[in-house]
Amino acid sequence: GENVEQHPSTLSVQEGDSAVIKCTYSDSASNYFPWYKQELGKRPQLIIDIRSNVGEKKDQRIAVTLNKTAKHFSLHITETQPEDSAVYFCAASVGRSQGNLIFGKGTKLSVKP
Amino acid sequence: EAQVTQNPRYLITVTGKKLTVTCSQNMNHEYMSWYRQDPGLGLRQIYYSMNVEVTDKGDVPEGYKVSRKEKRNFPLILESPSPNQTSLYFCASSLDGGMYEQYFGPGTRLTVT
Repeated sequence: GENVEQHPSTLSVQEGDSAVIKCTYSDSASNYFPWYKQELGKRPQLIIDIRSNVGEKKDQRIAVTLNKTAKHFSLHITETQPEDSAVYFCAASVGRSQGNLIFGKGTKLSVKP
Repeated sequence: EAQVTQNPRYLITVTGKKLTVTCSQNMNHEYMSWYRQDPGLGLRQIYYSMNVEVTDKGDVPEGYKVSRKEKRNFPLILESPSPNQTSLYFCASSLDGGMYEQYFGPGTRLTVT
């Protein structure tokens, strides 16, 4: 079946450094790639998403890049802050018309003050 | 306020005692989904529904049932719970699960003894 691989599973950075999380997907028809952030004890929430007709998207300190040829996409967080500490999930749509998402296993990001 | 609600939020039960976790959304979303979250395994999809009376299996459907008789509600039924179903459960809804943001409920912490 279709799957999404996410790396690394844990990531520790110093405050102010950049963090990069990478995902690869298997379904060549995937065309929607969201990223969710889950703070401790809370529900996942969308932080940024990208569609297949775009190679890069930025929103303040976060950015997502997409390489459809290689079937991978990445989340970049610059100038990390302690409040960025959370679990981040990538996801990819399944096929063009199936209307579903597959999630990666998550990356636990720790930002040390 | 646009939201996804789940009840109960916490539940401790015994093996074999049937239970239902309710999920309701007030955003008129077509798509709804159930996930379970276990340490190191990320968000695994149990069942999803792209419209009323349409449901499909996710990655881990064994031991669960769902129904979608009306657009706003998507209950998760455990006919005979077992200890391996102890987990954190999230319901989510979206205009289209594979193309738009999924809004998650607050989660239900289930313990089966």
